[in-house]
Amino acid sequence: GQQLNQSPQSMFIQEGEDVSMNCTSSSIFNTWLWYKQEPGEGPVLLIALYKAGELTSNGRLTAQFGITRKDSFLNISASIPSDVGIYFCAGLPLYSGGGADGLTFGKGTHLIIQP
Amino acid sequence: KAGVTQTPRYLIKTRGQQVTLSCSPISGHRSVSWYQQTPGQGLQFLFEYFSETQRNKGNFPGRFSGRQFSNSRSEMNVSTLELGDSALYLCASSLYRRTDTQYFGPGTRLTVL
Repeated sequence: GQQLNQSPQSMFIQEGEDVSMNCTSSSIFNTWLWYKQEPGEGPVLLIALYKAGELTSNGRLTAQFGITRKDSFLNISASIPSDVGIYFCAGLPLYSGGGADGLTFGKGTHLIIQP
Repeated sequence: KAGVTQTPRYLIKTRGQQVTLSCSPISGHRSVSWYQQTPGQGLQFLFEYFSETQRNKGNFPGRFSGRQFSNSRSEMNVSTLELGDSALYLCASSLYRRTDTQYFGPGTRLTVL
């Protein structure tokens, strides 16, 4: 099935630093989504990307849909303590008709911020 | 607008039992997808329902099944529970199928003893 390689697996940073994470795939995706999950909760949608090359911001967050349609990155500027959590990329593949066409998720990036 | 709600939030079952989880999508959303989240496998797609019909299914055994009602609410059933079924089960809703962004509920934490 589809696989997404998300890196880094974890990040330990100082408050105020910028953060960058990315996802790559061997397959083409139609849509890229970035989610944040906190303990005991479901993932919360941060940014949705629908077109190759698209660059979208949501406050201090910026994400881009790679031109090849096989990658995406998420940047967080000037990190603050409430940014702590697990960030997931997710991709929706081109419809294959094979049946298993739900979102494919990366393994997540654990963001830990030291004050 | 209320978000996606899932009930119950926590469940403890024993091997061999069956369990039913419930999901109420955001008002107006017609597509409901279910995902299993475990530390080892991460988030994995189970199935998607739209207009009361299963439209997509992930690579899970037939013990996992679901249904959707006319008001778009969905239930997921797992029969003959195994220890490995312990996971956070997440429901996500979207306006229509596949091409729309999905919004997740808080999940149901299932523990199988």
